[in-house]
Amino acid sequence: DAGVIQSPRHEVTEMGQEVTLRCKPISGHNSLFWYRQTMMRGLELLIYFNNNVPIDDSGMPEDRFSAKMPNASFSTLKIQPSEPRDSAVYFCASSLGGARGYTFGSGTRLTVV
Amino acid sequence: GENVEQHPSTLSVQEGDSAVIKCTYSDSASNYFPWYKQELGKRPQLIIDIRSNVGEKKDQRIAVTLNKTAKHFSLHITETQPEDSAVYFCAASIGADKLIFGTGTRLQVFP
Repeated sequence: DAGVIQSPRHEVTEMGQEVTLRCKPISGHNSLFWYRQTMMRGLELLIYFNNNVPIDDSGMPEDRFSAKMPNASFSTLKIQPSEPRDSAVYFCASSLGGARGYTFGSGTRLTVV
Repeated sequence: GENVEQHPSTLSVQEGDSAVIKCTYSDSASNYFPWYKQELGKRPQLIIDIRSNVGEKKDQRIAVTLNKTAKHFSLHITETQPEDSAVYFCAASIGADKLIFGTGTRLQVFP
């Protein structure tokens, strides 16, 4: 089991550019979560999916952020246009659903200059 | 809204001493409480969890206690070692699937 796989590991982009982060959950996991981690705000839940359907996107900061899960093995988080305040580590996590622990991916460190 | 408060934000102990991290949650319906350890530059990893029908759970040097009435839960690490140095996060379940995380405790164990 390769765990939750995220790409890229690091992304440096200029303000105004589009950024796409990718995630492959653990096979068989029904729930997928996108978190953002910063020193100031800790781990914030942005959005999560159950069986590929978005359930709660109340944590998405603004319309510049969007997420999709076209199938059970792939999800994307897109920021368009990116801004310097979007700089953070973005984690994807998956679980079997219900009240269970998550398995986190290695994260994508995003720097917007 | 729902939140989880975690204290202290930093904790320094001598190797061999015990460390205790405390969390308080707001949603009385929360029934699952995991703890994660995050080493520098790495992903958070689940180290222990407890469900609301249990008051205490132990796994070698780590233990977690839960007081549902007071909405408190705590992580206890005994005989600390330098490799225990990391940031520790508590979390509480919200609804069917979500976890809300505390703000983290940076634990430093000095040899």
